[in-house]
Amino acid sequence: GAGVSQSPRYKVAKRGQDVALRCDPISGHVSLFWYQQALGQGPEFLTYFQNEAQLDKSGLPSDRFFAERPEGSVSTLKIQRTQQEDSAVYLCASSFGVAGNWGEQYFGPGTRLTVT
Amino acid sequence: DQQVKQNSPSLSVQEGRISILNCDYTNSMFDYFLWYKKYPAEGPTFLISISSIKDKNEDGRFTVFLNKSAKHLSLHIVPSQPGDSAVYFCAASAGGTGNQFYFGTGTSLTVIP
Repeated sequence: GAGVSQSPRYKVAKRGQDVALRCDPISGHVSLFWYQQALGQGPEFLTYFQNEAQLDKSGLPSDRFFAERPEGSVSTLKIQRTQQEDSAVYLCASSFGVAGNWGEQYFGPGTRLTVT
Repeated sequence: DQQVKQNSPSLSVQEGRISILNCDYTNSMFDYFLWYKKYPAEGPTFLISISSIKDKNEDGRFTVFLNKSAKHLSLHIVPSQPGDSAVYFCAASAGGTGNQFYFGTGTSLTVIP
């Protein structure tokens, strides 16, 4: 398909487990964002990549969160030693533009993470 | 601290009437604003955007108005249709300098047939 895809769509993890969430952006999109959306809230920024460079990781809530985009396309968000407060929907978005000329952000369907 | 606020969690409108969704922001550096529509179990879908150099942008049934002095924007949907029932998020960015988009908490719109 031509849209942003994310996998898995649902993930249940036991507290303390590590998880890896994958995002396949639209081909050719330079910018890639990760967001965390808690129930009843809007998406909250986690981190931003411009190609393979992670230009902003100020939204990552702790050093248990790590994101990479090694070849400037697919990105992985990794959460180590998951905690219950990590339960949320994790959204990935990509856009063709960069700061100052963003254009439209296209969102994936999200990964719903539940930590038990 | 919430920099983008949507103070109405929900809104119900009759089919064919106007829906007005409101959004307020606190950061005067924001210069690019977007509205997204979200259905359950899907990611947000872009609707319409506006740059701070404009005060209005229109796309079909959707119009966004920006009042910079009041730090307020609104989305008008005319006429409202049942398929418009969804959660609507506004978002803002300091596009020239920042990489972050800040989202409101959303307004759930129900269009009654």
